[in-house]
Amino acid sequence: DQQVKQNSPSLSVQEGRISILNCDYTNSMFDYFLWYKKYPAEGPTFLISISSIKDKNEDGRFTVFLNKSAKHLSLHIVPSQPGDSAVYFCAASGNQFYFGTGTSLTVIP
Amino acid sequence: KAGVTQTPRYLIKTRGQQVTLSCSPISGHRSVSWYQQTPGQGLQFLFEYFSETQRNKGNFPGRFSGRQFSNSRSEMNVSTLELGDSALYLCASSLWTGPLRPSGSPLHFGNGTRLTVT
Repeated sequence: DQQVKQNSPSLSVQEGRISILNCDYTNSMFDYFLWYKKYPAEGPTFLISISSIKDKNEDGRFTVFLNKSAKHLSLHIVPSQPGDSAVYFCAASGNQFYFGTGTSLTVIP
Repeated sequence: KAGVTQTPRYLIKTRGQQVTLSCSPISGHRSVSWYQQTPGQGLQFLFEYFSETQRNKGNFPGRFSGRQFSNSRSEMNVSTLELGDSALYLCASSLWTGPLRPSGSPLHFGNGTRLTVT
């Protein structure tokens, strides 16, 4: 029962352009959402989060948008850089953290 | 501040054996949780400990067990290993100072233990 879904396994973007990663969830009781970035042979690194009482949170080049009515979460990276190439996981917090299956982002120089 | 430390980084075991993985959380973090990562499956929640008590458990068989010590360090044990247990096992710690998880308390992950069962 996958409560958090990332339907795009991979995404390729040109350097300097916007990367948009999407995430859907099923449980309306989730109150906290996060994005993690993972490089090979390393653990996931916390990137940015948003509380369910907000619809947008920005941190430098990274912005997370939350649409509660659609149960949809997105991460925007502007401008994209080659060092952003990694696997991105979205997560939602309920009685535990639920993770999506990840989207592999490739930023082409 | 030191991050989450997991040992060992790599393990090769034979089917039927058992294995113990170790995790030291960030200083001051009292919650430790464990995840299994396999290709295409994302991060699957195993269990979470807080103050030496298991708070939540994922949908894994009883061969998977864990514990937390008074210094918040945690161990995870897998008995009677199967080929399908080959995975990256990730430990994460967080600030969870009460019975309810406070919003704004992200998980901080270690680099994982890569377990290969042959």
